[in-house]
Amino acid sequence: DTGVSQNPRHKITKRGQNVTFRCDPISEHNRLYWYRQTLGQGPEFLTYFQNEAQLEKSRLLSDRFSAERPKGSFSTLEIQRTEQGDSAMYLCASSLGPGNDEQYFGPGTRLTVT
Amino acid sequence: GDSVTQMEGPVTLSEEAFLTINCTYTATGYPSLFWYVQYPGEGLQLLLKATKADDKGSNKGFEATYRKETTSFHLEKGSVQVSDSAVYFCALSSLAGRRALTFGSGTRLQVQP
Repeated sequence: DTGVSQNPRHKITKRGQNVTFRCDPISEHNRLYWYRQTLGQGPEFLTYFQNEAQLEKSRLLSDRFSAERPKGSFSTLEIQRTEQGDSAMYLCASSLGPGNDEQYFGPGTRLTVT
Repeated sequence: GDSVTQMEGPVTLSEEAFLTINCTYTATGYPSLFWYVQYPGEGLQLLLKATKADDKGSNKGFEATYRKETTSFHLEKGSVQVSDSAVYFCALSSLAGRRALTFGSGTRLQVQP
């Protein structure tokens, strides 16, 4: 399967704990995006990378959130000191880059903060 | 800022009925427009897209035309099937320097046999 993959698929954590999610984009895709989706809503943009450079961050990305894409391949999204309001589906997408803005999504990581 | 407004669901249709899901947008410049579909238990899949005014995107019997004058991108299908039951999201990618997608809130379609 050469699509976008995300791990883990589900994560249950206690409030105050740190969590980290991983995204592996389609291999030739230069851009990688993180979104958050809550029940009954469309995905909301969090941040995106062009290769290893983080080019844009949403106001939704509080100081407790950090994302990295070392070497321009896979990416990680870490949430520190989780809160119940962080419970959501975290989606990763990738695209080829300039001139081709079609984004392909992974299956998501569902986070539940208890 | 950019925004997308979709008709609220659920939309319930009988098999072989005609489908329209309305989508209007507000954006800076000339955005690209997309429809994504999310089948039960699956991730978002790109259904179709259009990149400039009057373009028609089509796939799997679904169509949508980029109407700049009405800032709309309504999704249509002539004859729906039970297998089309899913949540449909309209989205835009603004060409004003922002590469992220802005999504609508989604419209759930239920097709009954």
